[in-house]
Amino acid sequence: DIQMTQSPSSLSASVGDRVTITCRTSETIDTYLSWYQQKPGKAPKLLIYSTFNLQSGVPSRFSGSGSGTDFTLTISSLQPEDFAVYYCQQSFTERYSFGQGTKLEIK
Amino acid sequence: QVQLVESGGGVVQPGKSLRLSCAASGFTFSDYAMHWVRQAPGKGLEWVAVISYDGNNTYYVDSVKGRFTVSRDNFKNTLYMQMNSLRVEDTAVYYCASEPYDNSGYPGGQFDFWGQGTLVTVSS
Repeated sequence: DIQMTQSPSSLSASVGDRVTITCRTSETIDTYLSWYQQKPGKAPKLLIYSTFNLQSGVPSRFSGSGSGTDFTLTISSLQPEDFAVYYCQQSFTERYSFGQGTKLEIK
Repeated sequence: QVQLVESGGGVVQPGKSLRLSCAASGFTFSDYAMHWVRQAPGKGLEWVAVISYDGNNTYYVDSVKGRFTVSRDNFKNTLYMQMNSLRVEDTAVYYCASEPYDNSGYPGGQFDFWGQGTLVTVSS
């Protein structure tokens, strides 16, 4: 099974900051990677799919990059509504898997 | 608009069974692969199972293989998961999620819509 490791596990930042979250996989997954945002008590929300593609309706301050085993989610200028938990997810194999999550908190 | 509504959660004793349902509306259900994803209290997301658009292919995370069965009824636009031999560690919020196919007919890989979740508590 493909293991997913996100870093950092938690992060404190201020409104307006540029933030990068990293996801590393245990084997190459080409660009079969998505990113989700989850707020307390809510279902996850799709942000980015196939590494680079912005889901419809998601603000352009979110972007994704990477390939192979190393991927990043970047938020160019943090907004108050961006404080949440972020997960990466691979779909290279039939048995999908998620990273452990990165909690983004207000500094 | 797209809606996924889970039901069937509750409190159950270890070793017992439960069946979850996910009613879909607002999209062509039979065009999508469907997944179950769970989240234990205070923990991260865990992918559980997938069923292809036609129900012919299913895959499971190792921890539920042989105990959980995913199925679908494309006439009723409903996804199911039969959960047998439940364990304390199965306690979680269970979400259903849809996965579109790409233009080549392959699974897109992303979960574009999610239900609100249903809580399953396994406790004696």
